[in-house]
Amino acid sequence: QVHLVESGGGVVQPRRSLRLSCEASGFSFRSFALHWVRQAPGKGLEWLAVILYDGSNRFYADSVKGRFTVSKDDSKNTLYLQMSNLRLEDTATYFCVRGDFEIWGQGTLVTVSS
Amino acid sequence: AIQMTQSPASLSASVGDRVTITCRASQGIRDDLGWYQQKPGKAPKLLIYASSRLQSGVPSRFSGSGSGTDFTLTINSLQPEDYATYYCLQDYDYPWTFGQGTRVDIK
Repeated sequence: QVHLVESGGGVVQPRRSLRLSCEASGFSFRSFALHWVRQAPGKGLEWLAVILYDGSNRFYADSVKGRFTVSKDDSKNTLYLQMSNLRLEDTATYFCVRGDFEIWGQGTLVTVSS
Repeated sequence: AIQMTQSPASLSASVGDRVTITCRASQGIRDDLGWYQQKPGKAPKLLIYASSRLQSGVPSRFSGSGSGTDFTLTINSLQPEDYATYYCLQDYDYPWTFGQGTRVDIK
């Protein structure tokens, strides 16, 4: 079974940091780019970031550039999203997505609130 | 960043209707566009990739067309399970960008 499972969401205060994880199974983790996409409550989808299959390059949406960092650990089949200087508008469900966009995680909710 | 303008924002349709949703890119993106269906509380599902290629397992009533800046998702003979929100996504250039979404509900 091919799966992506996110974890690490929760309630965090503004300007604090949080790290999300996404554990992959059932496919060759090293062969795919991996993305993060988020969705604020009741809103549309927003593409956030990608790390290429070999980790050679990363790209970000302007809204998170300089605050969020995407990384991965091939030995653990795990993708990460390090989020710093969080803002109220970062409140959303965060999805990890395999590079072909066929496989999505179930999402993890991040709430930024004082 | 490339802007994706999706329309309409919402529509009401009956079972059996033909539904058309459009996305317009702010610059040419070849055929580097996908369409996604999302139901409440669920992750999105890939329907169409490369503008017109049907993802495996997706019913043939879904079709996509377009190239350059103008793209269309068509649902022929709308079924009850098709009531959902639909998004386009350009994968031509980073940062990738989604359209704003089209909610399809029951008339």
